[in-house]
Amino acid sequence: AQSVAQPEDQVNVAEGNPLTVKCTYSVSGNPYLFWYVQYPNRGLQFLLKYITGDNLVKGSYGFEAEFNKSQTSFHLKKPSALVSDSALYFCAVWSSGAGSYQLTFGKGTKLSVIP
Amino acid sequence: GAVVSQHPSRVICKSGTSVKIECRSLDFQATTMFWYRQFPKQSLMLMATSNEGSKATYEQGVEKDKFLINHASLTLSTLTVASAHPEDSSFYICSAREQGLNQPQHFGDGTRLSIL
Repeated sequence: AQSVAQPEDQVNVAEGNPLTVKCTYSVSGNPYLFWYVQYPNRGLQFLLKYITGDNLVKGSYGFEAEFNKSQTSFHLKKPSALVSDSALYFCAVWSSGAGSYQLTFGKGTKLSVIP
Repeated sequence: GAVVSQHPSRVICKSGTSVKIECRSLDFQATTMFWYRQFPKQSLMLMATSNEGSKATYEQGVEKDKFLINHASLTLSTLTVASAHPEDSSFYICSAREQGLNQPQHFGDGTRLSIL
């Protein structure tokens, strides 16, 4: 079985400061990892993915994430937070060992960027 | 980028009404589409996976006679909530994956369903 943990329900950061949203995963095969962002009353927007290759993945809106196999983590980062980054962030994983094509989502982390 | 269009965005109707939600992939073909339900302040709950031209695969606990899914083409899937009741009120989100196992899923903007 595959699972995703986002240990923080909420992250608060001051505008201009770096932000990190944490994600750890558990899979039986090689992981395919994704980050999505959700604004109020909207669907999810794709930010970035890790499939293979460089551990540091760059995505939309200045976000990046670092894949760490030994720690089974895929934390989302941004060097300088904007107020407009305030939203709900979901980490998701899929593994070829899962036997299906379903993404498994974390419970989400609410990011609040304070002006 | 890949766009998924979901309509309607909001539905308010009386108990007992059947409601149809459409999900279209606008600029790519989606062999597989997914339907999720999201409760307030919670993550997405997968309801069913639909493959073009075949019956949908429902997750445990999801009533297939209540939530009817049709995936008639590579760009369109529909979810019909049959005889909706207040407990069916929720935020429903569809998703479609571009062909290729390592491709991301793209999501519609969701449908807020309110049953009075």
